[in-house]
Amino acid sequence: QVQLVESGGGVVQPGGSLRLSCAASGFTVATSGMHWVRQAPGKGLEWVSFVSWTQNQEYYADSVKGRFTVSRDSSRNALYLQMNSLRPEDTAVYYCAKDRANTWAGDYWGQGILVTVSP
Amino acid sequence: QSALTQPRSVSGSPGQSVAISCTGTSGDIGRYKYVSWYQQYPGKAPKLMIYDVSERPSGVPDRFSGSKSGNTASLTISGLQAEDEADYYCYSFAGNCVVFGEGTKLTVL
Repeated sequence: QVQLVESGGGVVQPGGSLRLSCAASGFTVATSGMHWVRQAPGKGLEWVSFVSWTQNQEYYADSVKGRFTVSRDSSRNALYLQMNSLRPEDTAVYYCAKDRANTWAGDYWGQGILVTVSP
Repeated sequence: QSALTQPRSVSGSPGQSVAISCTGTSGDIGRYKYVSWYQQYPGKAPKLMIYDVSERPSGVPDRFSGSKSGNTASLTISGLQAEDEADYYCYSFAGNCVVFGEGTKLTVL
């Protein structure tokens, strides 16, 4: 049974850093495309990042490019999102999602983790 | 990376059909088959309802269907049920990124 569990959220000051983790079970992160998606309070969904399983290519939204980095650890079967130079507008619930066999669609999602960027 | 355009809200009575449109550009919806739709209840994670324009994951009722024409994709829900009341988001690959729609609130009257 596929399951994704995010952790690492919390409150951080503007300019600070945070690393989100996404622990996976029921499938292998190393051989799956994986997404990060966020949702600011009361707002819609915003795609953040995708890492492919073929060629390990990384893609980022313009709003986070150069500040966020996605990575994965095969030994832990986990996905990570390193977030640097955080801004108040990065405040959101962050979701990790498994890609459905290279369709760019997230078929399994975690429960989400809240990141708050505030002085 | 402009958001795809969706109506802010739609409504329908139980048993009726509703369609939610999602308008993009020739650089996203118009170019790629990677269009999907998500259902989200308040405080919950999104759920995949349609992928590759018109494919349904197992477990999604066949009341939900997707289509595309030019730069516009559509999600149609037939035989509306009370539990269909939720937010719906479209989503398209756009070459080197992904764009979401602004979201549509479906109200079942």
